[in-house]
Amino acid sequence: DTAVSQTPKYLVTQMGNDKSIKCEQNLGHDTMYWYKQDSKKFLKIMFSYNNKELIINETVPNRFSPKSPDKAHLNLHINSLELGDSAVYFCASSRTLGEAFFGQGTRLTVV
Amino acid sequence: ILNVEQSPQSLHVQEGDSTNFTCSFPSSNFYALHWYRWETAKSPEALFVMTLNGDEKKKGRISATLNTKEGYSYLYIKGSQPEDSATYLCAFLPLTGGGNKLTFGTGTQLKVEL
Repeated sequence: DTAVSQTPKYLVTQMGNDKSIKCEQNLGHDTMYWYKQDSKKFLKIMFSYNNKELIINETVPNRFSPKSPDKAHLNLHINSLELGDSAVYFCASSRTLGEAFFGQGTRLTVV
Repeated sequence: ILNVEQSPQSLHVQEGDSTNFTCSFPSSNFYALHWYRWETAKSPEALFVMTLNGDEKKKGRISATLNTKEGYSYLYIKGSQPEDSATYLCAFLPLTGGGNKLTFGTGTQLKVEL
């Protein structure tokens, strides 16, 4: 039983398209995150949600819009995709102030 | 901006060697320091969650120490094995003004050779 699952695992799309990445956790955690892994494998926090409320928004372009329909889901929608958006995106969840459990990552390639 | 730094950036050791890496973080507004292990083609997995100054945690051959007053943590691996090869990340969690802002360091990439 996967604790934190992301779909899709791979996403190849053209510039200008709109796409979504879904994330679900079955751990009963109240905090969920989105991280972007850059080319040097650095995990940069994008968003943090606690009990469906946005807590952290780290100067991410407006084209990125997270949506949390309930505590178990945090989806990431990206409008007007650009070449520079190509990266691996990781979803994670935790109890408030606890250790993070990560999804398997979504490799986004914009062509 | 939360400054979480790790050194060295990468490390090559021989099987059987013991090694250690450093994580430095803000010494104020501290709530917790996490260590994660990230193997290639997998996701990061938590090793330790440390909250108290002077904490020492151990899991098998891996251990960690914490100094919150000066803002650093060490991760030690005793008798390195090839399966220890991975990137080791530390992550800082502040107490206030950014709760749930789990900020990762740049990682130390460890390669253990036979």
